[in-house]
Amino acid sequence: DAGITQSPRHKVTETGTPVTLRCHQTENHRYMYWYRQDPGHGLRLIHYSYGVKDTDKGEVSDGYSVSRSKTEDFLLTLESATSSQTSVYFCAISESQLAAGGPLDTQYFGPGTRLTVL
Amino acid sequence: AQTVTQSQPEMSVQEAETVTLSCTYDTSESDYYLFWYKQPPSRQMILVIRQEAYKQQNATENRFSVNFQKAAKSFSLKISDSQLGDAAMYFCAYRSFSGTYKYIFGTGTRLKVLA
Repeated sequence: DAGITQSPRHKVTETGTPVTLRCHQTENHRYMYWYRQDPGHGLRLIHYSYGVKDTDKGEVSDGYSVSRSKTEDFLLTLESATSSQTSVYFCAISESQLAAGGPLDTQYFGPGTRLTVL
Repeated sequence: AQTVTQSQPEMSVQEAETVTLSCTYDTSESDYYLFWYKQPPSRQMILVIRQEAYKQQNATENRFSVNFQKAAKSFSLKISDSQLGDAAMYFCAYRSFSGTYKYIFGTGTRLKVLA
């Protein structure tokens, strides 16, 4: 299993409060992603990173920001949480075809974080 | 923009039987990767199988195989000798061979395995 952890695993918060989710990897993979999973929508990309301090928006980025100051950590921040952001959040990593290792260009996922915004 | 469509929200299969899950995609690119992921009740996303579009041979992994029809933009997953542990959500995903490293997922198919 790829070394990916997410913290916290569960969180309940109130509308309007800031929330930060952390993704940590031990694989030294270049690419990191944040998704949200909602019934009927599958996995939707929020933001992704293609290197330290290099990030880009996904299809549902409004209300979210990210930061990546180290290869191993990718933070997702909800500046002011809303009930519509209640979801399960997954972090994922991948590496390019040019890198050494096992199956390349494949995403590996963390265990997920269930966030409830009341 | 690329899209991935899974038109079967839910399917059932009898234990030991074979089931096929459908996936179609839309792209103007000629090189790309396709994946099937499994998500059991534990919520962990598990890679089942991957296919490179430039390979004509269909990928297989034990009881799992794909039927990759590039011209039809179809990528179905066949599960043989279904087991109770195969019950899960299955997601089809696409990734361009070049350019951005974004992955596009379908909405998933929930597979039930009947004893």
